[in-house]
Amino acid sequence: DSGVTQTPKHLITATGQRVTLRCSPRSGDLSVYWYQQSLDQGLQFLIQYYNGEERAKGNILERFSAQQFPDLHSELNLSSLELGDSALYFCASSITSNTGELFFGEGSRLTVL
Amino acid sequence: SQQGEEDPQALSIQEGENATMNCSYKTSINNLQWYRQNSGRGLVHLILIRSNEREKHSGRLRVTLDTSKKSSSLLITASRAADTASYFCATVINTNAGKSTFGDGTTLTVKP
Repeated sequence: DSGVTQTPKHLITATGQRVTLRCSPRSGDLSVYWYQQSLDQGLQFLIQYYNGEERAKGNILERFSAQQFPDLHSELNLSSLELGDSALYFCASSITSNTGELFFGEGSRLTVL
Repeated sequence: SQQGEEDPQALSIQEGENATMNCSYKTSINNLQWYRQNSGRGLVHLILIRSNEREKHSGRLRVTLDTSKKSSSLLITASRAADTASYFCATVINTNAGKSTFGDGTTLTVKP
């Protein structure tokens, strides 16, 4: 158990809908990262937050947004969903913003029909 | 394209044999990590090697780093069926924003 909690574990929705994925980092970790894993794209970095502030942005679509709250949990919002958004979405956390040692949650599997 | 590329894409060995996976990357790095992922599960951090280190050990794992060749290798000795998983290398370029960029992974199958 990494100590990182992601909900929901599975989510099935329709195209055009909006979903919110939630992540609670390990106790004491200030940095949260979101990754998308799909068969054709591999593990893609989406966005990183450190202590409530956005620190780095990757291949995150404009339809997607995220934030980190004062209690350090984070949410990833996916809107106007398309079939191609079906993937495993992972949250990871680390103590600082630059250790490189990430602790991953078990992921949220999103299926868009 | 991905910063790190693992080789081979798939590896199948017998229990007790050693498994070697390689990772090549494109730009200078601050550190490189190896992760393991069981099917459909989250990634688990195995080992981190910094750019000024050449070799690191952790249990049955041995990682080497050659910054001149921009490559790293992960050796798993005396493999077990439970080692069956996908293994990913990840690189951190800039410690001001420590995002890790992952390769496509090597799928290791250890046959009992």
